[in-house]
Amino acid sequence: DQQVKQNSPSLSVQEGRISILNCDYTNSMFDYFLWYKKYPAEGPTFLISISSIKDKNEDGRFTVFLNKSAKHLSLHIVPSQPGDSAVYFCAASRTSGTYKYIFGTGTRLKVLA
Amino acid sequence: EAGVAQSPRYKIIEKRQSVAFWCNPISGHATLYWYQQILGQGPKLLIQFQNNGVVDDSQLPKDRFSAERLKGVDSTLKIQPAKLEDSAVYLCASSPRTGFSYEQYFGPGTRLTVT
Repeated sequence: DQQVKQNSPSLSVQEGRISILNCDYTNSMFDYFLWYKKYPAEGPTFLISISSIKDKNEDGRFTVFLNKSAKHLSLHIVPSQPGDSAVYFCAASRTSGTYKYIFGTGTRLKVLA
Repeated sequence: EAGVAQSPRYKIIEKRQSVAFWCNPISGHATLYWYQQILGQGPKLLIQFQNNGVVDDSQLPKDRFSAERLKGVDSTLKIQPAKLEDSAVYLCASSPRTGFSYEQYFGPGTRLTVT
């Protein structure tokens, strides 16, 4: 049962344009969401998070949007840079009870110079 | 601040052999996680320690996998005997908090190939 889905395995974007990465979840009990970035041969690094009490969180070039009714979140990167080329994972968790992060399968972003 | 350290970085073994991975979390971090990431999938939690107690090991294949966290600091994950399907990257992560963690810090991982 894939509770967190990233349906696009890969995405290519021109440098300077917007990158939009999508993530869907099925468990309505999830109330905290993270995005991680992963370079080859390195561990995932935290990028940005959002709580279910918000619908948007912004940090520099990165913005995460949460649509609870659609059980959908998206990560926007504006403007995209070649150094953003990596695999991006979304993860979701409950913050009470049985809490553990469930990760999506990742989207490989390639930013073309 | 030093990050999460893991060793070895790469390991190749034959099926039915045993293997052990080591993790040193960020100093002072109370919670330690082991994840398994199979190629093309996201990380899957195997076991979570708070200090040196197990919080969640529901997805750990206990017939072949074992893990311990010594004195609430370093941790080892062992597989005995290994199967072909254990080929994956094993990621260790830590968090300063007990309870729910808003952020986890990952090590570089150990890539295991079982032939």
